[in-house]
Amino acid sequence: EADIYQTPRYLVIGTGKKITLECSQTMGHDKMYWYQQDPGMELHLIHYSYGVNSTEKGDLSSESTVSRIRTEHFPLTLESARPSHTSQYLCASSEGVSPVGEKLFFGSGTQLSVL
Amino acid sequence: GEDVEQSLFLSVREGDSSVINCTYTDSSSTYLYWYKQEPGAGLQLLTYIFSNMDMKQDQRLTVLLNKKDKHLSLRIADTQTGDSAIYFCAERKAGGYQKVTFGIGTKLQVIP
Repeated sequence: EADIYQTPRYLVIGTGKKITLECSQTMGHDKMYWYQQDPGMELHLIHYSYGVNSTEKGDLSSESTVSRIRTEHFPLTLESARPSHTSQYLCASSEGVSPVGEKLFFGSGTQLSVL
Repeated sequence: GEDVEQSLFLSVREGDSSVINCTYTDSSSTYLYWYKQEPGAGLQLLTYIFSNMDMKQDQRLTVLLNKKDKHLSLRIADTQTGDSAIYFCAERKAGGYQKVTFGIGTKLQVIP
């Protein structure tokens, strides 16, 4: 059972608003990730962190920013939301390299709609 | 580059076998995974295979790897309606700072 939580589950907001998507895990994992998922498209890594005070941009360019002040918390912020940001955002964590390479635990996602 | 390709959709009748296929381009991929995403939920690791293996069986699931053709498949025997989900193929190279790359996902529909 994965202990990684995302809030809100659904969010509908207007253009120009600032939003923060929350992600928390209680497994003590060092590595955390944000993926963007659109229907019929692969998951795109937009941000990742290998520990506190470590954040990196992923493969897909994103106007969002992240922070990692505590191990368990990895919020994603959009300063000014636009309709092009409409997507499903998935947060994941892992304990690092293991005998299976890396097992990712995913949250249930936040479906963001920007009007 | 790192590309993982899958077909978008598969429909099978309950009780039949399902075969979901995946191709990847990075020959240095060391770990290959199948994740399952049920409606309204995040992805869950279903099974995995190392690149030095040809086959792995886990109850109703069989993973076949053809490393020469860079082809991975997931076979689900006696498919049930509860197997309806999106199945993602993923790969990762060895090393502490490598990332997992996902395919687009194959939506499996099981018809009762």
